[in-house]
Amino acid sequence: SAVISQKPSRDICQRGTSLTIQCQVDSQVTMMFWYRQQPGQSLTLIATANQGSEATYESGFVIDKFPISRPNLTFSTLTVSNMSPEDSSIYLCSVARTSGRAGSSNEQFFGPGTRLTVL
Amino acid sequence: GESVGLHLPTLSVQEGDNSIINCAYSNSASDYFIWYKQESGKGPQFIIDIRSNMDKRQGQRVTVLLNKTVKHLSLQIAATQPGDSAVYFCAEKSGGSNYKLTFGKGTLLTVNP
Repeated sequence: SAVISQKPSRDICQRGTSLTIQCQVDSQVTMMFWYRQQPGQSLTLIATANQGSEATYESGFVIDKFPISRPNLTFSTLTVSNMSPEDSSIYLCSVARTSGRAGSSNEQFFGPGTRLTVL
Repeated sequence: GESVGLHLPTLSVQEGDNSIINCAYSNSASDYFIWYKQESGKGPQFIIDIRSNMDKRQGQRVTVLLNKTVKHLSLQIAATQPGDSAVYFCAEKSGGSNYKLTFGKGTLLTVNP
């Protein structure tokens, strides 16, 4: 499996500020994703981070609110802009790679998450 | 107004018993399914996966069953241990997408010693 680290692991921020979350992978991966997990809820895909081009956002998420960078195949950042208490969530980085195992498809692995609280 | 708090289905079992966690999916075009385990304060951890051309797959102490007729997926954990206590999510990938996963609600499994 891929080793994925995220920084910061948690933060408490003031309303109206922005926070940039970093995701680092121990090997080159084709696909990187950002998910949001609101308290007690399931995971929702925010966007696919594309290397060398603009991220692909899911319905309900926009670049102005969640700008994403992907400068190379091992690193990505997600910024949560102009935060409000409704942005309090766990933000998770995920990567996909071909497993090579018979019967499997492209496995996705998750980082430990960044727990964000907005006051 | 909207209620707050944990709305996850829960399953409570005794240590040593077998656990079965169920998941219904809606997209008949989904061709790949994954079960994840999420412990408190951690990211989801891959447990086992299955492709739509299979109906059963076994791992270490875990078995995934897929019933495409009724769009149902289950995770069976044998000899459940306290360390299995976590939230379990099923996820599906649409056949029209290479990687995009759609996650189910999750089930909270509590193992009593």
